[in-house]
Amino acid sequence: EDQVTQSPEALRLQEGESSSLNCSYTVSGLRGLFWYRQDPGKGPEFLFTLYSAGEEKEKERLKATLTKKESFLHITAPKPEDSATYLCAVQGFEAAGNKLTFGGGTRVLVKP
Amino acid sequence: DARVTQTPRHKVTEMGQEVTMRCQPILGHNTVFWYRQTMMQGLELLAYFRNRAPLDDSGMPKDRFSAEMPDATLATLKIQPSEPRDSAVYFCASGLALSGGRNQPQHFGDGTRLSIL
Repeated sequence: EDQVTQSPEALRLQEGESSSLNCSYTVSGLRGLFWYRQDPGKGPEFLFTLYSAGEEKEKERLKATLTKKESFLHITAPKPEDSATYLCAVQGFEAAGNKLTFGGGTRVLVKP
Repeated sequence: DARVTQTPRHKVTEMGQEVTMRCQPILGHNTVFWYRQTMMQGLELLAYFRNRAPLDDSGMPKDRFSAEMPDATLATLKIQPSEPRDSAVYFCASGLALSGGRNQPQHFGDGTRLSIL
């Protein structure tokens, strides 16, 4: 069974204070790892897909990296608008359709 | 940008009543997912469909929950009878699953916030 663990559960940052979120996973064979952002009262919003170890993706202040056991979401010089819950999910080769297994998320609060 | 549309956005009803939640997936997507989100459990997969056929509904309490796709533009999740423990946010997501290729990400609606009194 695919499993995803995210840490820390919550993160408080000062504006401009860079940090990283961790997503550890176990999967039979990784088909893809997905990062989402969720704002209060909204559905998860897709950020990145990573397919193989060593791959990196960037979008504004966010950068996602992938190894064979974990993924990191680096937030560089965050701004208050980066405050959200960040969710990680994996899809294994044995998953039917494009079923995802989600982690519990990391709540990020960036203070001005 | 194409979006997944869910209705209603909020629903408050009394225990024992039937609840129906609707979802319009993104045009062209061939998979539809129903999730439930609570503070305690996070995002739980309830059921999902590929090309309108149910693939897995093992995450749903079968005695009270049912999920259907009457056509490609509509997915429904029903609870009958509803119970207070069903109070949660229910999300629908759609995606494009490709045979032998890289699957596209799921895109989520903004959910139905359900409160059962």
